[in-house]
Amino acid sequence: GAVVSQHPSWVICKSGTSVKIECRSLDFQATTMFWYRQFPKQSLMLMATSNEGSKATYEQGVEKDKFLINHASLTLSTLTVTSAHPEDSSFYICSASIGTGLEKLFFGSGTQLSVL
Amino acid sequence: SQQGEEDPQALSIQEGENATMNCSYKTSINNLQWYRQNSGRGLVHLILIRSNEREKHSGRLRVTLDTSKKSSSLLITASRAADTASYFCATVTGANSKLTFGKGITLSVRP
Repeated sequence: GAVVSQHPSWVICKSGTSVKIECRSLDFQATTMFWYRQFPKQSLMLMATSNEGSKATYEQGVEKDKFLINHASLTLSTLTVTSAHPEDSSFYICSASIGTGLEKLFFGSGTQLSVL
Repeated sequence: SQQGEEDPQALSIQEGENATMNCSYKTSINNLQWYRQNSGRGLVHLILIRSNEREKHSGRLRVTLDTSKKSSSLLITASRAADTASYFCATVTGANSKLTFGKGITLSVRP
């Protein structure tokens, strides 16, 4: 099956710093990637939809200046948490679909962010 | 907003038993998917059922869909300890191009 690589797996940072999370589709081209946030024992909440070559579409309540998304190529999307605060601590997961349909998403392994 | 709601929230069974997990949703769907997540990991797609389908099988998995009741069930037969994970249903509706997840069910299979 298709592989999505997410890096880093975990990161600890100081409050006020920025953290970049990378999501790569290794063996397919992903026109669209999705970024989710998950709190412990909770569901996945869609943060934004990332489209190659265009601006990301953010969900209501997600600050686009806080969570910067760049999808510069068909195999790479990045999420940058700017000026991180402890409340940004969470598990962030990216996913990608092959083609334009949503019949099967391939997920990265997630990034656990801890902001001190 | 939450579309899918799984039931029960947690399920503990003995290895070899069958596990049945239910999902209810609120609006009409194009398809419904089930995913599995091991602790601290990403999700893995298990099976998809379209709105015009009633039942599908994949290995030890059986999923049903009742659009009149807006519900789906996932059956794992002959469970194994390795099936221990969280299971999520997710729906795709015609109104948007998003996959919306339920809250998930924690399945524990005791050896």
